[in-house]
Amino acid sequence: RKEVEQDPGPFNVPEGATVAFNCTYSNSASQSFFWYRQDCRKEPKLLMSVYSSGNEDGRFTAQLNRASQYISLLIRDSKLSDSATYLCVVRGGGSYIPTFGRGTSLIVHP
Amino acid sequence: EAQVTQNPRYLITVTGKKLTVTCSQNMNHEYMSWYRQDPGLGLRQIYYSMNVEVTDKGDVPEGYKVSRKEKRNFPLILESPSPNQTSLYFCASSRTRDEQFFGPGTRLTVL
Repeated sequence: RKEVEQDPGPFNVPEGATVAFNCTYSNSASQSFFWYRQDCRKEPKLLMSVYSSGNEDGRFTAQLNRASQYISLLIRDSKLSDSATYLCVVRGGGSYIPTFGRGTSLIVHP
Repeated sequence: EAQVTQNPRYLITVTGKKLTVTCSQNMNHEYMSWYRQDPGLGLRQIYYSMNVEVTDKGDVPEGYKVSRKEKRNFPLILESPSPNQTSLYFCASSRTRDEQFFGPGTRLTVL
């Protein structure tokens, strides 16, 4: 089983839609969780951290489910500019090496 | 402007010709890392550094070297590049172990 798994997509949604991605992780000792956004051929950029209590930033909501070992990202009222690949990142307790998922592709169309 | 810079951005070279990719950050971050990104494999960490003169291997260190003589710089060295090192390389820095800022990337082709 891969350490961090994401559905590669693409998720193809119309503007204004709500879309959600999940990311599962295998290391139950993982302590840090993040979502990054990566545009085509560009560098990844931190979108948001995922806390045990969840995290909301405008149209974006991230949640952590430790019991089932997954994190989620919800995007409300999708914009064309949200089209990108969303990377899930997990870091285990005491480790300096983060594990990146392969990313989920989102395409928002008019 | 807070940023991570990498040079060169694009490089085509031949097998065995030593090369260095530079990375510099102006945010006074202690942590710096190098990653490679390959289709279908995602980002994988090559080396990381917790501070000056402190470096350690990531997931895929074979064929690479790094040094951290100054806090702002973290060059990646390929002593004898091979075609399987053709990839997109990213340098990153962070104040803690997390929330990394990435450079713009270096696209390397080894013939």
